[in-house]
Parts: sequence; C-alpha cells; structure tokens
Amino acid sequence: DTAVSQTPKYLVTQMGNDKSIKCEQNLGHDTMYWYKQDSKKFLKIMFSYNNKELIINETVPNRFSPKSPDKAHLNLHINSLELGDSAVYFCASSSVIAGEQYFGPGTRLTVT
Amino acid sequence: SQQGEEDPQALSIQEGENATMNCSYKTSINNLQWYRQNSGRGLVHLILIRSNEREKHSGRLRVTLDTSKKSSSLLITASRAADTASYFCATSESGGGADGLTFGKGTHLIIQP
Repeated sequence: DTAVSQTPKYLVTQMGNDKSIKCEQNLGHDTMYWYKQDSKKFLKIMFSYNNKELIINETVPNRFSPKSPDKAHLNLHINSLELGDSAVYFCASSSVIAGEQYFGPGTRLTVT
Repeated sequence: SQQGEEDPQALSIQEGENATMNCSYKTSINNLQWYRQNSGRGLVHLILIRSNEREKHSGRLRVTLDTSKKSSSLLITASRAADTASYFCATSESGGGADGLTFGKGTHLIIQP
C-alpha cells in the first residue's frame, strides 16, 4: 500500500496557467510538507501543515498556496505559472514526534 | 539558506567496497537524518541521529555525528550495485517534527559491479 501518494506524476503546462498537485498520506501522520527539488537536485522546504495549520511558509511566492481539506491531504495550488517553477515537487509527511519524514514519488512540473 | 554540504559530490567505487559520505551544517540542530534517492524516485529515510548521540548503526549503515564540528558521516559497508543512488543529509532544528528539513546538495554514489 502506498504510504504517501501524489498526482499527477508528470505535469506539462504553459506559462500563465493555474495548476494543482494533490497529495495524500495513509500513515495517520499529523504533519505534511511540500518540498521543491530543482534541476541541480537541491531540495528546499516550501510549506508544512500541522493539524490544518500552516507552520512554515518559506520565501515562496504567494502564487503558491497549500490547501489541506483534512489531515490526510495537502494539495498544492499554483497560480500564473512561470518558467522558473519547473521542478520536481515532493510531498512528505511525518508524525510530529518521530521527526523522520516519508516522501511521495514526486510530481515533475514542466512549464513551457 | 542551504544548511548541509555533502562531500564528495560524486563517488564511484567497486562493489564490495565501503562508501563514506560526509555532511557539514551551519546551525544548531535537534537531529540529523540521511535519505536515499534513486534516480527519478522519491526520497527514502535511512537513519536519524539525535544531537545527543554520537554514533548509530542500521544494518550496513553507520552514521556518526560531531556537533562540535557540525558534521556527520554516513558509512555504507560492503556496497552493492543496488546502493547506487543519491544520498542526502538533512537537519531538523526543533525536532518537534513540524519544521521542515533543511537538505544538503547530496552525494551521488555509483557502485561499479
């Protein structure tokens, strides 16, 4: 059974469009995250959600908005996509106490 | 800002040899974790070491932590072709779990059969 799943796996879209990436975890974890991995494989935290409350919002453009309908889901909505948004986006989850994070398979976003 | 720096950036060894990767970080931490990423896949958690621990083992993995030098090392013994992957260290400042991890740039490990 998949612990952390993301859809879609690949997303190709044009500049200016709005898109969403969905994430679901079946681990019963309290906290979920979004990370961005650039072309040089550098991973950076974007957001974390704990019990539907935004805990971290790094210097991410406000075109990016996380939405959590419930504890098991954290979706990422991106408005007015730009070329620089092209990257692989990873969702992750963790138990607040454990610290170790479980990652989804990633969504490769290509903006043309 | 980037927290961890892995060294080396790339490492190629023969199957059966040991592989050592190093990581340095800048701020105080609660714990340090190592992850593996196979090409085109998500990250897999390998091991977590807390700031009050100095060494930890898990199967063929051995991790050390030196908080005075703000550095860690990951040793993979008796390497296998399946160990070919990128390895990342990641630090957690609070350890409470709600903060995101700060990742290093990674070491790309190639095991030659």
